[in-house]
Amino acid sequence: NAGVTQTPKFRVLKTGQSMTLLCAQDMNHEYMYWYRQDPGMGLRLIHYSVGEGTTAKGEVPDGYNVSRLKKQNFLLGLESAAPSQTSVYFCATYAGGLYEQYFGPGTRLTVT
Amino acid sequence: AQSVSQHNHHVILSEAASLELGCNYSYGGTVNLFWYVQYPGQHLQLLLKYFSGDPLVKGIKGFEAEFIKSKFSFNLRKPSVQWSDTAEYFCSVGGSQGNLIFGKGTKLSVKP
Repeated sequence: NAGVTQTPKFRVLKTGQSMTLLCAQDMNHEYMYWYRQDPGMGLRLIHYSVGEGTTAKGEVPDGYNVSRLKKQNFLLGLESAAPSQTSVYFCATYAGGLYEQYFGPGTRLTVT
Repeated sequence: AQSVSQHNHHVILSEAASLELGCNYSYGGTVNLFWYVQYPGQHLQLLLKYFSGDPLVKGIKGFEAEFIKSKFSFNLRKPSVQWSDTAEYFCSVGGSQGNLIFGKGTKLSVKP
């Protein structure tokens, strides 16, 4: 039972490059979220999904796209990376109801 | 929109000192409240949560928090901190889509 995993753990991109971050869960949770963590800013919601095939924008969606083709996977894409997207990205899952969110180990992304 | 305020950016304590970290939220209705901890280089882990009932909530590692509805507060406490409590602590409130709205975090440094 791996819980929530994220791939890759680290990545360095040049401005304008694209990449996809993968979040995978084996907890059968309906809800999945992508947050970014920046120093002094806490975690901010980028996009989320309330079930397979659904996605919605969060607080800071600009420059990102997401897809949830399978229930267990939630992909975060950067089409044209910018230095402002240098951050640590966390995926989280949630079963609904009176439960907490479970976080993945994070992906540290640097855009030069 | 809901928001969370954490009063202290960085707290420095000696071992065995008592800890209280302040957290205030903006929403006046029913709230679900959480404290998460992030040890250096690690992902977020749940310390404790409040959904309803007894306003004094006990969590892991000797932490507790008190929900005071009239003050919109959910302060985290520990009677005696250890060096291993050095971490960043995040207060959060549950959002309408099961997401979490985080405060900016409080870094705790415990001197041995």
